[in-house]
Amino acid sequence: DGGITQSPKYLFRKEGQNVTLSCEQNLNHDAMYWYRQDPGQGLRLIYYSQIVNDFQKGDIAEGYSVSREKKESFPLTVTSAQKNPTAFYLCASTRTGWVGQPQHFGDGTRLSIL
Amino acid sequence: EDKVVQSPLSLVVHEGDTVTLNCSYEVTNFRSLLWYKQEKKAPTFLFMLTSSGIEKKSGRLSSILDKKELFSILNITATQTGDSAVYLCAVEAEGAQKLVFGQGTRLTINP
Repeated sequence: DGGITQSPKYLFRKEGQNVTLSCEQNLNHDAMYWYRQDPGQGLRLIYYSQIVNDFQKGDIAEGYSVSREKKESFPLTVTSAQKNPTAFYLCASTRTGWVGQPQHFGDGTRLSIL
Repeated sequence: EDKVVQSPLSLVVHEGDTVTLNCSYEVTNFRSLLWYKQEKKAPTFLFMLTSSGIEKKSGRLSSILDKKELFSILNITATQTGDSAVYLCAVEAEGAQKLVFGQGTRLTINP
């Protein structure tokens, strides 16, 4: 079955540590997205990528980094510069030029600080 | 700056009631408005609306868009406990290739 796989489901970060969240899709979608969800705040866009080797900052990119070396993969690194990383992180994908094509989401990674 | 506001933020009703969720938006060069349902993990797609006045319907759920007044509503009739979820509204601007989400409405259906 085609879909988006995020791993791990739960992740704990120590102070000063960088952690990487994985997102893989086998839907042959060009565009991929990372969102952060805090209680009562909906989804906020961190980074997005329309094609391989290219990505753009979203509304809250500070303290995060991404790469897009393969079409299927869009990993997100939460760096030590992100002072409040505890949140639920969602990855999504869609076809580029997606008239009538909604974004599909993974099951998310819940990140907590130790 | 593009903006989406949902109301109410939280709603508790009894099974069998009808509910209306609201979504208002401000976006430059509107292209589409989407509704998602989020239970525990991944949001699942419900509707995409691009034209005013045309109702989209799926079982007990329906939605309509008013591009003049810049809002959409999501109706759920004969609610069931399985409708309990966070309902998210998002808009896309022409050429933006990204969505702007509202805060979500947490709907709780009590038996």
